[in-house]
Amino acid sequence: SAVISQKPSRDICQRGTSLTIQCQVDSQVTMMFWYRQQPGQSLTLIATANQGSEATYESGFVIDKFPISRPNLTFSTLTVSNMSPEDSSIYLCSVDRGWSGELFFGEGSRLTVL
Amino acid sequence: KQEVTQIPAALSVPEGENLVLNCSFTDSAIYNLQWFRQDPGKGLTSLLLIQSSQREQTSGRLNASLDKSSGRSTLYIAASQPGDSATYLCAVTLKAAGNKLTFGGGTRVLVKP
Repeated sequence: SAVISQKPSRDICQRGTSLTIQCQVDSQVTMMFWYRQQPGQSLTLIATANQGSEATYESGFVIDKFPISRPNLTFSTLTVSNMSPEDSSIYLCSVDRGWSGELFFGEGSRLTVL
Repeated sequence: KQEVTQIPAALSVPEGENLVLNCSFTDSAIYNLQWFRQDPGKGLTSLLLIQSSQREQTSGRLNASLDKSSGRSTLYIAASQPGDSATYLCAVTLKAAGNKLTFGGGTRVLVKP
């Protein structure tokens, strides 16, 4: 398995502000993924982050709203910009370890926007 | 577009009863299928991973089967315990989609003492 740490674990933010979520992995990984889980919903992929290249965003998600950094093979950040109450969700970081394709998740960052 | 459906959405059973959770997917060209557990407000814990070439995987009281041709997977939890209460999610990876997971809506399980 992988040890994946996310910060902050939760936060309450004001409308119009931005928040950066950090994801730290205990070993080097090629691909890191960011997911969103809105209240009462399942998970939706926001983007895939590979080290040394621009993140690849899924339909409905744009870089201006969710800028992502991937400075090295163990770390990534996701910023939620110009937040509105609709951005209140759990944001989860995920990594792929090994040949099997099994994905592991962090504990998530619960964001509430007032 | 791959769609993943989990039925039922919620399930309540007395302690000791076996749990049967269903997952169906529309595109059979999957790379693998994973079952996860999620406790309220928490992240996901990987329970079982089934490769497309496999028909089942077992871990302790958990057994997951995969019928790729019919687009179905079933998670069995034997002799349920109150600690099994959680939401269970299945997710598939398409061969053409890299390691991107498509999730079902989840089954919320309550095991009553």
